[in-house]
Amino acid sequence: EAGVAQSPRYKIIEKRQSVAFWCNPISGHATLYWYQQILGQGPKLLIQFQNNGVVDDSQLPKDRFSAERLKGVDSTLKIQPAKLEDSAVYLCASSLDAPLYNEQFFGPGTRLTVL
Amino acid sequence: AQSVTQPDIHITVSEGASLELRCNYSYGATPYLFWYVQSPGQGLQLLLKYFSGDTLVQGIKGFEAEFKRSQSSFNLRKPSVHWSDAAEYFCAVGELTGGGNKLTFGTGTQLKVEL
Repeated sequence: EAGVAQSPRYKIIEKRQSVAFWCNPISGHATLYWYQQILGQGPKLLIQFQNNGVVDDSQLPKDRFSAERLKGVDSTLKIQPAKLEDSAVYLCASSLDAPLYNEQFFGPGTRLTVL
Repeated sequence: AQSVTQPDIHITVSEGASLELRCNYSYGATPYLFWYVQSPGQGLQLLLKYFSGDTLVQGIKGFEAEFKRSQSSFNLRKPSVHWSDAAEYFCAVGELTGGGNKLTFGTGTQLKVEL
């Protein structure tokens, strides 16, 4: 079974530029998550989708971050404009459904460096 | 708000020695607790989880964890560490939110294994 796919794996941009990350979850998984992992910290949930609807985006900095999952499958996360403090690994995860007993499977992440 | 504390940032053990990684949580209700492992350049992998019932939980790769409500702890243990266990370990507490769920991670413990 294929895992969660993410691209690109690495991205270097200058501050004030824009960037987008792509995630393809495991087939059949209804729930998709985006996490931000800053160096030395644990992952922090940015947004959670159930199919193509948002169920939690309370920690998403909406002035610069946006995310969509238009057809309830793959998803994109965008940052515009980027700041230095956005340097982090962005992890995508998926699960069969929302309840906690459904394991979240994580992708390898996209490492973003903002100069 | 729920929170997780992993008091040890780095731990070094010799191969074959026993291991215990500490995790303390703060959560008002019965917690849902998880341990994840992250190897370099890879996403997080679930080691084990606790929802209810037996307070000693068995996981993959020979790991186990014990839930102690009186101490608000969920420490991870392994009787004999292998060199391949070197990685970063994250404890997390789960919370059901409106329509979804949320994992709050600790800051992680980096495990080094000496041969």
